[in-house]
Amino acid sequence: GIQVEQSPPDLILQEGANSTLRCNFSDSVNNLQWFHQNPWGQLINLFYIPSGTKQNGRLSATTVATERYSLLYISSSQTTDSGVYFCAGGGLGGGATNKLIFGTGTLLAVQP
Amino acid sequence: DAGVTQSPTHLIKTRGQQVTLRCSPKSGHDTVSWYQQALGQGPQFIFQYYEEEERQRGNFPDRFSGHQFPNYSSELNVNALLLGDSALYLCASSLIGDGQGNIQYFGAGTRLSVL
Repeated sequence: GIQVEQSPPDLILQEGANSTLRCNFSDSVNNLQWFHQNPWGQLINLFYIPSGTKQNGRLSATTVATERYSLLYISSSQTTDSGVYFCAGGGLGGGATNKLIFGTGTLLAVQP
Repeated sequence: DAGVTQSPTHLIKTRGQQVTLRCSPKSGHDTVSWYQQALGQGPQFIFQYYEEEERQRGNFPDRFSGHQFPNYSSELNVNALLLGDSALYLCASSLIGDGQGNIQYFGAGTRLSVL
């Protein structure tokens, strides 16, 4: 099955710094999502980005589908950005919603 | 617009018992998927329900079963609980054919502790 590798596993930033999180897939995926998991466990949708680039405020994401990787950029980080960031993707094929295969996450701590 | 809701939020059981977790999908969604997230790990897919049938299943034993009701809500049942079943159980909903690859939205989860 598809393997998802995220890097770095842990990241500590000072407030105001920028960061880049990376997600590599072992095979092509037809849907790719980025999530932020808050301390209470809720997975917050950040981006649906099977290819191309999207921006939402201080966050942006780029997926290069042909090379099977995605990047999440966080600019001017704030303490509220702390938490675990997951990328997840589903395999190719039609039919029902493809199950999401998750990476092991990047634990981000933003210090004031 | 209500998002995905799960109940209960926390649950404590003992080994060998049975548990039922519940999920109501986001308004307008017709598909429910269940995931198990162990501490420090990413969520693992358990199974998915659409049109009241199990459509896909991950690598989980038959002790894990589910159901989807006509109103699209779903239940996850786990029998003969093991200590290793302690985890955060997440429900995700989506809409088949939404034109965007069936984006999944997650509930806040049920945290199950097996003693």
